[in-house]
Amino acid sequence: GAVVSQHPSWVICKSGTSVKIECRSLDFQATTMFWYRQFPKQSLMLMATSNEGSKATYEQGVEKDKFLINHASLTLSTLTVTSAHPEDSSFYICSARDPGLQYQETQYFGPGTRLLVL
Amino acid sequence: EDQVTQSPEALRLQEGESSSLNCSYTVSGLRGLFWYRQDPGKGPEFLFTLYSAGEEKEKERLKATLTKKESFLHITAPKPEDSATYLCAVQSISGGYNKLIFGAGTRLAVHP
Repeated sequence: GAVVSQHPSWVICKSGTSVKIECRSLDFQATTMFWYRQFPKQSLMLMATSNEGSKATYEQGVEKDKFLINHASLTLSTLTVTSAHPEDSSFYICSARDPGLQYQETQYFGPGTRLLVL
Repeated sequence: EDQVTQSPEALRLQEGESSSLNCSYTVSGLRGLFWYRQDPGKGPEFLFTLYSAGEEKEKERLKATLTKKESFLHITAPKPEDSATYLCAVQSISGGYNKLIFGAGTRLAVHP
């Protein structure tokens, strides 16, 4: 149980274009999903918390107009990197908590999306 | 400020050579401590959640323990397939159910 998928697994785009990344909970409903960013040989940094049916909560220093998050259903959250630039190149990972489990604190992660902006 | 420090940064073991990874934490009220395994180019894979000092959990060759200041991930008789980066994360009571604070990880290489 608690399987999270992401699509696409990798994407290459030109500078100035927008890229959408999907995160799905496959076997449970997630009212809350999370988006992380990971640079090479560094740990995960939380970017924002995505809440179904309401606005996302962004961490300090994360531009909400640049990283648009939509959580339209209990199984899908999307992250759109708008007007992407080379410095946005990174590994983006989503996670979700399964509220049906006895211990709800554990976050289960997707496989990640590698973004390269040329 | 909540903080997580993992040591060593990298560890090289021979197959069958047992060892321990350390995760020291400073948090204003611990809600939970989490261990994950991450393979290159993939998302973290959940291993354990620990809630209170004295708690221990095991899975195959891995055993996680927790004290009031640190957690250890013990690897018994490791195999090459145990090679990965092991991440420790904490969740504080003040942070609610959301924010996980990660350590930098320990890169483990097990050689045959």
